[in-house]
Amino acid sequence: EAGVAQSPRYKIIEKRQSVAFWCNPISGHATLYWYQQILGQGPKLLIQFQNNGVVDDSQLPKDRFSAERLKGVDSTLKIQPAKLEDSAVYLCASSLEARRSEKLFFGSGTQLSVL
Amino acid sequence: GESVGLHLPTLSVQEGDNSIINCAYSNSASDYFIWYKQESGKGPQFIIDIRSNMDKRQGQRVTVLLNKTVKHLSLQIAATQPGDSAVYFCAENMGDTGRRALTFGSGTRLQVQP
Repeated sequence: EAGVAQSPRYKIIEKRQSVAFWCNPISGHATLYWYQQILGQGPKLLIQFQNNGVVDDSQLPKDRFSAERLKGVDSTLKIQPAKLEDSAVYLCASSLEARRSEKLFFGSGTQLSVL
Repeated sequence: GESVGLHLPTLSVQEGDNSIINCAYSNSASDYFIWYKQESGKGPQFIIDIRSNMDKRQGQRVTVLLNKTVKHLSLQIAATQPGDSAVYFCAENMGDTGRRALTFGSGTRLQVQP
């Protein structure tokens, strides 16, 4: 079974530039998550999708971050404009459903450096 | 807000010894807990989970203990191997907050000395 796919693997940009990350979840998984992991910290939820609808985006900085999952499969996370503090690993995860007692499967992440 | 935390940022053990990684949680309404292992440059990998109606669950070389009285979770790794070196995160769902995604702690780095 293929895992969660993410690209690019690394990205270096200057502040105020824009950047986009792509994620393809495990086939058949209805729920998709984007997490931000700052160095030395645990992952922090940015947004959760159930199929193509947003379940929770309460921690997404909506003035600069946006995400979509138009067809209910793959997803794109965008930052515009980027700030220095956005330097982090952006992890995508998926789960079969959105039950409260359910493990998430993570991709390898996109490491973003904002200079 | 309430969040999951960890007692020790770094744990160093000898190969072959048993490891115990601890985690404190503050949300008494949390009813599902999970441990992840994260190696350098990789995403978190599932190790073991436990529901709040249990106090112990065993896997291959790993055991998770849940003490709801003191809101404490631990991960025990038997016969620790060099391949166990990684950062370990506990995570919880936040129960009645309505947020169904997992909330992660800050992690403990496990270093296995040969």
